[in-house]
This record gives sequence, C-alpha cells and structure tokens, in this order.
Amino acid sequence: EIVLTQSPGTLSLSPGERATLSCRASQSVSSSYLAWYQQKSGQAPRLLIYGASSRATGIPDRFSGSGSGTDFTLTISRLEPEDVAVYYCQQYGSSVTFGPGTKVDIK
Amino acid sequence: QVQLVQSGAEVKKPGASVKVSCKASGYTFTTYYMHWVRQAPGQGLEWMGIINTSGGSTSYAQKFHGRVTVTRDTSTATVYMELSSLRSEDTAVYYCARGDRAGVRWGSSDYWGQGTLVTVSS
Repeated sequence: EIVLTQSPGTLSLSPGERATLSCRASQSVSSSYLAWYQQKSGQAPRLLIYGASSRATGIPDRFSGSGSGTDFTLTISRLEPEDVAVYYCQQYGSSVTFGPGTKVDIK
Repeated sequence: QVQLVQSGAEVKKPGASVKVSCKASGYTFTTYYMHWVRQAPGQGLEWMGIINTSGGSTSYAQKFHGRVTVTRDTSTATVYMELSSLRSEDTAVYYCARGDRAGVRWGSSDYWGQGTLVTVSS
C-alpha cells in the first residue's frame, strides 16, 4: 500500500499570502495519479486537482498542483478567507489511499 | 446536473450490520465507477472500496476485506455499501464518490454524496 504523508499539519497565513502544501508518497505514484481535495467544515470533499496538475472543473486558477514520482505540491497563490479548509492528497495509481490532511487557517 | 443522494443517518449496536444507499442521477449510471470513503469524527478520509457499476465487480481496501460488501442496482441507479460486525470504531460519516473518468477503474472522484453518519453504540 502506498502511504502518503502531508506537511505541514497546519498552515496559518494572512489573506493574500502564498500557501504551499506538500504530499510525499512512500513509493512512486504511477502516471502522476495524484489528486488534491478541499474539505470545508461539515461538507463533503471537493476535487481541486487531478493527474497531479490538472484543475478540476470550476476551480479558480489560484489553485495549482505540481510534482511527480514521490513528491507533490499544492499551491494556493493568493490565500482568500474562503480557502480555510483541510486539504487532502490522494493517490489512485495503486488502489486508493489518502494523506492525513493539512489544515489551512487564516491569521 | 450530477447528484449523489445518500440515505439517512443510522444508529446501530455493536455486532450489527448497516447498509447505506447512494442514488445517482444526472448522468449514465453504468458509465462511471463508484467509490466508498469514510471519515471518523475529527479524522481524515479513508478509502473503503469501489464498484464497477456496469459489470458489478468490486475491489476493497484490505482493512475491510470480509466485512464490507458493495453492490449496485442498475434499474434504480443506486449503489449500496453494507458493513457488518460493526464496532465503535466504525462510527463515521460514509460517502459515496463517483470516479471521474468514464470507464476507468482508478481515478479521482469528481462528485460526492452528502454523507451518511453511522453511529455504533450500545
């Protein structure tokens, strides 16, 4: 099973700042089958990024994904108050596993 | 528009079973795989299994092998997840989530149900 590790556990930034979230896999994720989800309190997860770098339908372009192999990054270029959420990475190259999440707060 | 509507909250005793439904609409049901994911209170997301809504074949996370069964009814465009031998650690919100690529088994999930809270308590 591919284990995903996310860092940091919590990120606290001011509006307008850049947020960089990391996801590391215990082994290479084939074909960059890596997705990112946003989950706001009390809501179902929302797909942000698939295939490591492709934005899902309707996702603002301030969200971007990059990486390959075992190291992946989600970047929020200019943090907005509505971006407060927990962000999860998911690999689907070998069955499916999720990372433990990164909580993003606004200062 | 695509919608996944799940059944309501359940309270079960330890040792019992629970069956959660997920009714799909707004797309051709048998074209997309369906996943089940759960989330314990205050915890992260945990993948449970997947079903081919066309042929009915399934794949489950090793952790749940023998306790979870996912089925589908193509006549009503509904997927079911049954979890048996419930214990307190199974208290969680259970989500169905559609695979994002037609005909492709492994993919991300672009549409999610609203979640069903299952509480296991004596």
